[in-house]
Amino acid sequence: SAVISQKPSRDICQRGTSLTIQCQVDSQVTMMFWYRQQPGQSLTLIATANQGSEATYESGFVIDKFPISRPNLTFSTLTVSNMSPEDSSIYLCSGLRNTEAFFGQGTRLTVV
Amino acid sequence: AQSVTQLGSHVSVSEGALVLLRCNYSSSVPPYLFWYVQYPNQGLQLLLKYTSAATLVKGINDFEAEFKKSETSFHLTKPSAHMSDAAEYFCAVSVGGSQGNLIFGKGTKLSVKP
Repeated sequence: SAVISQKPSRDICQRGTSLTIQCQVDSQVTMMFWYRQQPGQSLTLIATANQGSEATYESGFVIDKFPISRPNLTFSTLTVSNMSPEDSSIYLCSGLRNTEAFFGQGTRLTVV
Repeated sequence: AQSVTQLGSHVSVSEGALVLLRCNYSSSVPPYLFWYVQYPNQGLQLLLKYTSAATLVKGINDFEAEFKKSETSFHLTKPSAHMSDAAEYFCAVSVGGSQGNLIFGKGTKLSVKP
């Protein structure tokens, strides 16, 4: 199995600011993903983080709002830019290895 | 397009009783199906997965699920509930068989009464 460390675990941010969430995997994974879990909702895929190239975004998500980096096979960041209260959610990263997806503990973001 | 429907946002059982969490899927290709559990303030943990091998899949903590193609179902069961099983459970289907890009159901919160 893989261990994914995600931080921060929670934050309260002012609207208009940005927050960068980090995910560190204990060993290499082939693919990394970022999900959002809005209150009372299921997980929705934001994007696939590609190593060494731009992330692949799902419909409804754009790079300007959610820039993603993946400089190597064990690390990725997601930035939530110019935040508004509607961005209050749990954000989770996921890594894929040997056909199994592992998840970080999530970042609980509250925008005030 | 793939989708997942979990019937019942909240299920309550007594300790020792059977646990049954329902999941139906829609997929235009043979699906890979997963059940994840999320304990309070923790990440998602894989319980079990179906990847086109045996239709009855056994997972951790005595959970199991049966893939029924005719019913497009992948219900999760456990013969005897423990208090420690109280958590939220998510059914998911993979997109294009990649087994990484997942579509999740809305989740079912399981409560276990003493």
